[in-house]
Amino acid sequence: AQSVTQPDIHITVSEGASLELRCNYSYGATPYLFWYVQSPGQGLQLLLKYFSGDTLVQGIKGFEAEFKRSQSSFNLRKPSVHWSDAAEYFCAVGATGYQKVTFGIGTKLQVIP
Amino acid sequence: EADIYQTPRYLVIGTGKKITLECSQTMGHDKMYWYQQDPGMELHLIHYSYGVNSTEKGDLSSESTVSRIRTEHFPLTLESARPSHTSQYLCASSLTGVNNSPLHFGNGTRLTVT
Repeated sequence: AQSVTQPDIHITVSEGASLELRCNYSYGATPYLFWYVQSPGQGLQLLLKYFSGDTLVQGIKGFEAEFKRSQSSFNLRKPSVHWSDAAEYFCAVGATGYQKVTFGIGTKLQVIP
Repeated sequence: EADIYQTPRYLVIGTGKKITLECSQTMGHDKMYWYQQDPGMELHLIHYSYGVNSTEKGDLSSESTVSRIRTEHFPLTLESARPSHTSQYLCASSLTGVNNSPLHFGNGTRLTVT
């Protein structure tokens, strides 16, 4: 069965600092991987996705993620965080054929001045 | 810019009442989903649909039911609400294809059962 682990439940960074959110997945074949962001009172918005090809994926809002098969990881990065990035971030893995998507429990990002 | 709409956004209702959470999408997506979200927990899939007249139960057992009479509409019904149903319910849709499209989410319905 597929699973996703986000080891950091809560992260605090200073505005302008770099950010890395960790995500590890478990899946038997090549996974489809996603990062979503959720602002308070909102649904989830897709930041980026990986299906195949280049392992460094660019997304919206200046985010990127790198797929590392050897480490079963798909970490999200941003070089300089803005206060508006404060939100909850969810990593997700989808099975081939996309019948189901499994989400992690999320990482809540706090940005301080 | 949501193309998937959920109503109501917030609902407070008493135990035993029947409720229907509405979800509509204008993107022509064939697949639709209902997720349940609680703080500190992963999102749990409770229902999904491959298309009109198709409904399936998800990973998390739920007392709710769904219907898919039209492509764009996927309502969720609770016949008798209980406090344990208090949660946020997220509707999503996706499009079947070679490069399977990601989920598009609505803004959710936060349900409180008193």
